[in-house]
Amino acid sequence: DVKVTQSSRYLVKRTGEKVFLECVQDMDHENMFWYRQDPGLGLRLIYFSYDVKMKEKGDIPEGYSVSREKKERFSLILESASTNQTSMYLCASSFGRSDNSPLHFGNGTRLTVT
Amino acid sequence: QKEVEQNSGPLSVPEGAIASLNCTYSDRGSQSFFWYRQYSGKSPELIMFIYSNGDKEDGRFTAQLNKASQYVSLLIRDSQPSDSATYLCAVHTGYSTLTFGKGTMLLVSP
Repeated sequence: DVKVTQSSRYLVKRTGEKVFLECVQDMDHENMFWYRQDPGLGLRLIYFSYDVKMKEKGDIPEGYSVSREKKERFSLILESASTNQTSMYLCASSFGRSDNSPLHFGNGTRLTVT
Repeated sequence: QKEVEQNSGPLSVPEGAIASLNCTYSDRGSQSFFWYRQYSGKSPELIMFIYSNGDKEDGRFTAQLNKASQYVSLLIRDSQPSDSATYLCAVHTGYSTLTFGKGTMLLVSP
């Protein structure tokens, strides 16, 4: 079974703090993704990566950056957290460069910015 | 903007009935389609995927795809209270990326 592990289940941070969300997958997947999920807005793609040190912007990259130094690890960084970044953050991974690969999700990190 | 549309629901069905969940998508070039189930407070889990026109069955679940109409559906036979969840339709819309609908909430009453 694919295992995608997010380092924190719940996180509370203050406005202006730098926040790191970590994600690790154990299936040697090439692709990794960060989504956020908000009521009424659904899942929205923030960034994704298809290889080490590669990154691509998703639909809502503003206010976020990412890092992928190793194949199994994909980090989401909030440079200066704001209250509108309070959300559920979901990391996912998938295999290969195929349109047919499903995404496998981690358990999510519920971030609250006060 | 590539869009995936679902009725938000809730869709209420009695136990044992067939639940029918529908999804339309805007990108005519999309080739693969996925259904995820998400329980409250949990992350999405994959139920089924379908690539070809027609039906695909897996246990109590059947996915149906009509590319000409840009329509995907999920049927759940013999619905159980444990099927109560939000069902997300997802469509491949770019390099290895999925675009998700906002989900349909299904409520199965005993």
